[in-house]
Amino acid sequence: AQKITQTQPGMFVQEKEAVTLDCTYDTSDPSYGLFWYKQPSSGEMIFLIYQGSYDQQNATEGRYSLNFQKARKSANLVISASQLGDSAMYFCAMRETDSNYQLIWGAGTKLIIKP
Amino acid sequence: NAGVTQTPKFRILKIGQSMTLQCTQDMNHNYMYWYRQDPGMGLKLIYYSVGAGITDKGEVPNGYNVSRSTTEDFPLRLELAAPSQTSVYFCASESRGREQYFGPGTRLTVT
Repeated sequence: AQKITQTQPGMFVQEKEAVTLDCTYDTSDPSYGLFWYKQPSSGEMIFLIYQGSYDQQNATEGRYSLNFQKARKSANLVISASQLGDSAMYFCAMRETDSNYQLIWGAGTKLIIKP
Repeated sequence: NAGVTQTPKFRILKIGQSMTLQCTQDMNHNYMYWYRQDPGMGLKLIYYSVGAGITDKGEVPNGYNVSRSTTEDFPLRLELAAPSQTSVYFCASESRGREQYFGPGTRLTVT
């Protein structure tokens, strides 16, 4: 079974609009962490935001926020006021505490921001 | 502060050749990882290390080997290259439990 699912292979969004990238996960470990990374066309992997399973508040980092719904096992990334430079692949990843800190990755969502 | 560096950036190998992908980090991280990313896909873990002298297999270790003689270096060895190993290879490091820092990647083609 897929542990990390990103259901949107690709998305087009108008510049300055907010965008939500979906991520659902599957784990029975009560202690886990969720990560979002951005991969621009240049290829590097850039860390965006982290949410721990015991964190009481949704994580925020600048224009990025994580809509964490634990009961639904979803950890959607929200980008406010999108910019042309946000065009990239976005990956959701999960680490379970009993996995020796290995990250499990989703297949990614390709986001294209239209001017 | 260079972070995670990888060499080479690009390489073309013939089937059956061998090579070593180099990875060095200067952040004194104990945890290091090698991933491969096939076109249009997420990352798959090849090998990882939790400290000097300790390595373990990830999801797709076949055809690869690693060593970790120092905290800084984590080379990945490809023996008898096959077309299925054509991919982009990323090395990453982390301070325990937090985000991973990635190198720029090595684009490998096996023909």
